[in-house]
Amino acid sequence: GQQVMQIPQYQHVQEGEDFTTYCNSSTTLSNIQWYKQRPGGHPVFLIQLVKSGEVKKQKRLTFQFGEAKKNSSLHITATQTTDVGTYFCAGHDSGTYKYIFGTGTRLKVLA
Amino acid sequence: ETGVTQTPRHLVMGMTNKKSLKCEQHLGHNAMYWYKQSAKKPLELMFVYNFKEQTENNSVPSRFSPECPNSSHLFLHLHTLQPEDSALYLCASSQPGATDTQYFGPGTRLTVL
Repeated sequence: GQQVMQIPQYQHVQEGEDFTTYCNSSTTLSNIQWYKQRPGGHPVFLIQLVKSGEVKKQKRLTFQFGEAKKNSSLHITATQTTDVGTYFCAGHDSGTYKYIFGTGTRLKVLA
Repeated sequence: ETGVTQTPRHLVMGMTNKKSLKCEQHLGHNAMYWYKQSAKKPLELMFVYNFKEQTENNSVPSRFSPECPNSSHLFLHLHTLQPEDSALYLCASSQPGATDTQYFGPGTRLTVL
């Protein structure tokens, strides 16, 4: 069945360093969404990308949707302690339209 | 904050107990979801309801029984659970359509003794 894997599973960075998480789907996605879950919290929607090769920015966060619409990335520039949490990608399979979450990347930022 | 509330926030139950989790959304959405989140597993979609009709059941054991009386309320009835069912149970809602952006509730932290 369809799988959406994220790498890395865990990442520890020093405050001020950059961070990237990659989201890879086994099938083509019609859209990609990113969520952030703070420790002890629940996932909160960040952004959606729809077009092939699309890039969107939110302050220090840069989101990219791959040309083949099978992968995506989230890049954080100059991490801060407030960036701590787990980042999930999610999207609809283009064929089945089934909505599936990625495995998540847990980010820890060391002050 | 998100328009989706869940009660209780924490629940401890024995394996022979029967309990129910409640979810209510105030966003006017027509789709509601139950997810299970364990410590070492990704978000697992359990059930999906669209316009009160169950449209997805991802091979969930029968000891979990969902109920959706209307588009704003969703329940998860629990009975004879196992310790491995201990997890965070998240409810979400969305407006069915092109994006299905999920709006999550705060979750119920369930511990099965």
